[in-house]
Amino acid sequence: AQKVTQAQTEISVVEKEDVTLDCVYETRDTTYYLFWYKQPPSGELVFLIRRNSFDEQNEISGRYSWNFQKSTSSFNFTITASQVVDSAVYFCALSGNRDDKIIFGKGTRLHILP
Amino acid sequence: GAVVSQHPSRVICKSGTSVKIECRSLDFQATTMFWYRQFPKKSLMLMATSNEGSKATYEQGVEKDKFLINHASLTLSTLTVTSAHPEDSSFYICSARGTHRETQYFGPGTRLLVL
Repeated sequence: AQKVTQAQTEISVVEKEDVTLDCVYETRDTTYYLFWYKQPPSGELVFLIRRNSFDEQNEISGRYSWNFQKSTSSFNFTITASQVVDSAVYFCALSGNRDDKIIFGKGTRLHILP
Repeated sequence: GAVVSQHPSRVICKSGTSVKIECRSLDFQATTMFWYRQFPKKSLMLMATSNEGSKATYEQGVEKDKFLINHASLTLSTLTVTSAHPEDSSFYICSARGTHRETQYFGPGTRLLVL
């Protein structure tokens, strides 16, 4: 069975601090995809990243970075120099190779305090 | 990136009525569409997967007679909540995937409130 665990339900940090959101996944597929989505109060999902299981290189996009560790089945997301606009719920998600259904974690609610 | 729209964005209805939600892929052909449901402060739960021209595949625990899904064309899927009740109030989000099995693109969601 596939599963995504986001152990941090809610995090609050002061603006300009760095913050890391944890994600641990379980799958039996050898090929799979990992995702991060941002959901602001409006509700619309904002796609942040999609990572193939064969690509373990870390990725940086502006203030965002992702650390994919296959050995620990983790795909953590770090926001550097956080801003109030980063306040949202962040979902880590997983899809396997066979049916492409996306399984979402429970989400981490991030509050960036001014 | 690809654009997926949903209509309506928000709907309020009386208990016992049926509500139809549309999901459209605006600039690509979506062979597969997915419908998710999200309760307040909860995660997205997949309800069903629909392939164009065939019956939808429902996830365990989702009543197919209650949540009717039609995917009659490559750009449109509809979700009809039949005989809606207050417990059906939720945020419904669709996603669409193109013919080359690339990533899914999500719609903006529809907030349903059943009184």
